[in-house]
Amino acid sequence: NAGVTQTPKFQVLKTGQSMTLQCAQDMNHNSMYWYRQDPGMGLRLIYYSASEGTTDKGEVPNGYNVSRLNKREFSLRLESAAPSQTSVYFCASPSPWAGYGYTFGSGTRLTVV
Amino acid sequence: AQSVAQPEDQVNVAEGNPLTVKCTYSVSGNPYLFWYVQYPNRGLQFLLKYITGDNLVKGSYGFEAEFNKSQTSFHLKKPSALVSDSALYFCAVRSNTGNQFYFGTGTSLTVIP
Repeated sequence: NAGVTQTPKFQVLKTGQSMTLQCAQDMNHNSMYWYRQDPGMGLRLIYYSASEGTTDKGEVPNGYNVSRLNKREFSLRLESAAPSQTSVYFCASPSPWAGYGYTFGSGTRLTVV
Repeated sequence: AQSVAQPEDQVNVAEGNPLTVKCTYSVSGNPYLFWYVQYPNRGLQFLLKYITGDNLVKGSYGFEAEFNKSQTSFHLKKPSALVSDSALYFCAVRSNTGNQFYFGTGTSLTVIP
């Protein structure tokens, strides 16, 4: 089935290390989103891309960068990881079988030690 | 400003009893309202949506939600709870004039056998 694919599923980083979270969607939609989920805080938008070639900051962009490589792919980069970035990260994109709400990836559980 | 409130962090209900998970929203323009469910270590899954039309909408797994414009609410309901309904539930809203979704902080539902 078409949907949103995220990699990796789990990652442990040391403080100061960098990594890139990958996201790909095959629903042919223009917009893609990166959220982080923390207990008691729900989902907070980090960055989004309304279309290929554009990106915009969300609610909590500090410490992150993004790249909209093409219509399918939207990556999230942590240049210098901090313990405060320990979280579960979700990529999302609108889809017709979610009523044009979001279809979410399965998430990346990141721990920064 | 757009926002979603889920006033209850935790809801406990006995199996077989009706359940309600509350959601209120604030949005400019007409709201598009969604409910998502998250099972442990999984991504969010679409349950149901309200865009326009009948105020009572039916979704997956026997869930339904009632849109109340005067109370700006969109409570999730089910007539008879199952143990397998135990999960984290998120309400989300989008304005009909924008692309961005806003999520509540989530309500943890526990159905007691």
